[in-house]
Amino acid sequence: GENVEQHPSTLSVQEGDSAVIKCTYSDSASNYFPWYKQELGKRPQLIIDIRSNVGEKKDQRIAVTLNKTAKHFSLHITETQPEDSAVYFCAAIPISYNTDKLIFGTGTRLQVFP
Amino acid sequence: DAGVIQSPRHEVTEMGQEVTLRCKPISGHNSLFWYRQTMMRGLELLIYFNNNVPIDDSGMPEDRFSAKMPNASFSTLKIQPSEPRDSAVYFCASSFGEQETQYFGPGTRLLVL
Repeated sequence: GENVEQHPSTLSVQEGDSAVIKCTYSDSASNYFPWYKQELGKRPQLIIDIRSNVGEKKDQRIAVTLNKTAKHFSLHITETQPEDSAVYFCAAIPISYNTDKLIFGTGTRLQVFP
Repeated sequence: DAGVIQSPRHEVTEMGQEVTLRCKPISGHNSLFWYRQTMMRGLELLIYFNNNVPIDDSGMPEDRFSAKMPNASFSTLKIQPSEPRDSAVYFCASSFGEQETQYFGPGTRLLVL
């Protein structure tokens, strides 16, 4: 079945540094790739998403890049702040499997130290 | 907009009891998803509906789990009988369309003793 791998599982950075989280997917027909942020004890919340017709999308300090040939996409957070500390999940929809369900990565726990 | 609403927010029950979780999607959304989240297994999709019809229930762990969506504004996830290994946070999410942004509810934290 469809698989989404996410790395690293934990990431610690100093405030002001950049953080990068990478995901790979197996279904080459996947065309929608959202990123969710989940703070402790709270719900996952969409922070940015990208569709297969673009290679990069930015929203203030957050950017996502997509490489369809290599089947991987990445989340980039610049100028990190302590409030960026959370678990981040990538996801993809495996179009080839005739389903519209999101397959989530295993999550990355980001800690930003002041 | 009130967002996705779930109830109860917390549920503590004893093994063997029936548990019913409820979800009200965002008005106008036509897709509804039930997820389970645990430390060991992460975020798993249990079942999703489109226009009130179950589309994919391959994630439902076993016959003890059932889900219904009698109308566009209400869905239930039932566990009968419950077991300690069902302890998890259960999220409901909704979207306008099947490949659109999913908005999650606050979740129900279930503990089965």
